[in-house]
Amino acid sequence: NAGVMQNPRHLVRRRGQEARLRCSPMKGHSHVYWYRQLPEEGLKFMVYLQKENIIDESGMPKERFSAEFPKEGPSILRIQQVVRGDSAAYFCASSPPLTLYEQYFGPGTRLTVT
Amino acid sequence: QQQVKQSPQSLIVQKGGISIINCAYENTAFDYFPWYQQFPGKGPALLIAIRPDVSEKKEGRFTISFNKSAKQFSLHIMDSQPGDSATYFCAANPPGTALIFGKGTTLSVSS
Repeated sequence: NAGVMQNPRHLVRRRGQEARLRCSPMKGHSHVYWYRQLPEEGLKFMVYLQKENIIDESGMPKERFSAEFPKEGPSILRIQQVVRGDSAAYFCASSPPLTLYEQYFGPGTRLTVT
Repeated sequence: QQQVKQSPQSLIVQKGGISIINCAYENTAFDYFPWYQQFPGKGPALLIAIRPDVSEKKEGRFTISFNKSAKQFSLHIMDSQPGDSATYFCAANPPGTALIFGKGTTLSVSS
């Protein structure tokens, strides 16, 4: 049973470009969470999605960031017009429908903005 | 109220010793308390978790102790090994939403 998959693993963008991060949840999992991790810090919640629905986006910056989890395909976290402060590791987690609290993390995408 | 405070920030333990990491929370609505282990360049891996109706849970060398009245919980790693050297995060789950993480503890086990 494959775990949570994220791609790309490393992404380099110049300031002003767009970054697209993809997450495929574990088989049977219908809930996806995105977290951001800065060096020497813990994980900060960004957004929680179900298929075709955003459940909680209270941790998402109001501008430039958006997320989706379409009916078919992976969840995508999009960052428009990236700035140096967006450089971080972005992790996706998924959970099964009956035990939402049991979250399993992917390997992360390390975004570097130059 | 939505914070989880973790200590210490870093910990050095001799091989074979006991590693203890502590976390405290304020929100009594939290109902699930996992610990995650993260190696450099990897994603966090679920290590062990506890519900507030249980005071202790043990899995192999890892034990969670939970004190509901004090709103504290801790991770004990018995017979610590160099392979346990990693960053450990405690977390808490408000019902129906995402995990809230502590800032992490970097554990180094010296051989």
